[in-house]
Amino acid sequence: EAGVVQSPRYKIIEKKQPVAFWCNPISGHNTLYWYRQNLGQGPELLIRYENEEAVDDSQLPKDRFSAERLKGVDSTLKIQPAELGDSAVYLCASNLGQGTEAFFGQGTRLTVV
Amino acid sequence: AQSVTQLDSQVPVFEEAPVELRCNYSSSVSVYLFWYVQYPNQGLQLLLKYLSGSTLVKGINGFEAEFNKSQTSFHLRKPSVHISDTAEYFCAVTRNNNQFYFGTGTSLTVIP
Repeated sequence: EAGVVQSPRYKIIEKKQPVAFWCNPISGHNTLYWYRQNLGQGPELLIRYENEEAVDDSQLPKDRFSAERLKGVDSTLKIQPAELGDSAVYLCASNLGQGTEAFFGQGTRLTVV
Repeated sequence: AQSVTQLDSQVPVFEEAPVELRCNYSSSVSVYLFWYVQYPNQGLQLLLKYLSGSTLVKGINGFEAEFNKSQTSFHLRKPSVHISDTAEYFCAVTRNNNQFYFGTGTSLTVIP
């Protein structure tokens, strides 16, 4: 069974440019998470979806970040415009629901120069 | 809000020695607890989890953890570490809201 798939693995962009990340969760997983992980830190939640509904986006910087999960399966996370401080690893995860483990993708390492 | 404290940011240990990575959480209600491992340039991989039942949980790669409700701790242990155990380890907690809260991580370095 395929795990959580993310693309691209690496992305280098200039500041003020847009960037998008894509995530395909494990089949049947209703919950999808986007996390940001800064160097030497634990993952911090950006947004959580239950099916196609964003149920927690309180930590998402809405002035420049947006996300969508059309049809409750794949998801994209967009940053426009990117800032130097957005350099981090962006992790996608999914699970079956409360009380179950979260499965993580390999992440996208974003470098803004 | 939940919080997870990993008391040691870096733990060096010699190969074949035992190791304990500490984790404490703040919660007055029932929680689910997890330990994840992250190798360089990889995502997080589940080591073990506590949902209910026996407080001693065994996971992959010879790791185990013990849930202590009175001390709100979930320390990770391994009796004999290997070079391949060098990685970043994260403790996480969630409740019925399906929201995961992660600690800041412990970098385990196994010295030959």
